[in-house]
Amino acid sequence: KQEVTQIPAALSVPEGENLVLNCSFTDSAIYNLQWFRQDPGKGLTSLLLIQSSQREQTSGRLNASLDKSSGRSTLYIAASQPGDSATYLCAVRSSNTGKLIFGQGTTLQVKP
Amino acid sequence: NAGVTQTPKFQVLKTGQSMTLQCAQDMNHEYMSWYRQDPGMGLRLIHYSVGAGITDQGEVPNGYNVSRSTTEDFPLRLLSAAPSQTSVYFCASSYSNREYETQYFGPGTRLLVL
Repeated sequence: KQEVTQIPAALSVPEGENLVLNCSFTDSAIYNLQWFRQDPGKGLTSLLLIQSSQREQTSGRLNASLDKSSGRSTLYIAASQPGDSATYLCAVRSSNTGKLIFGQGTTLQVKP
Repeated sequence: NAGVTQTPKFQVLKTGQSMTLQCAQDMNHEYMSWYRQDPGMGLRLIHYSVGAGITDQGEVPNGYNVSRSTTEDFPLRLLSAAPSQTSVYFCASSYSNREYETQYFGPGTRLLVL
């Protein structure tokens, strides 16, 4: 059974720091891996999607990497801003079941 | 486009009551799904549909029913509410092909079962 784990559960950093959020998964049989952002009381917004054949994707200050063989992904946020404060979730699309399996999320606070 | 809409935004039920959470999308997506989000547990898939007339169970389907009579609508029914169903419910629709996938989530319905 695919399991997705995100560490740490919460993170607090001062504004301007570069930071890394981690995601690990137990089954390498995936179509893709996605990173989402969730603001308090809101739905999820897709940030980046990495296909299983890709190594990384970039969007602005965000860079996501994927190492399928080791079951790991990282989300790198450069020059963090208070507006980056949110919960970040990763999810993998299983190639066995087709279902999207989510991690528990990392709640990020960027202090001014 | 309105995207994915959910109603109601908040609901309080008594144990044993039934209700329907509404979800609609205007993007002509074939794939729709329902998740519940509980503290510390991420999102868990309840039911999903790959097109009108086709539904299937996710990870936590017990106590919930779905139907998909049209491409646009995917309601979730709680048959007899229990306190364990207190949660935030998200509906999502998506489009995918071999090289691309996009997910859209609704704003959520907060359900409290007393």
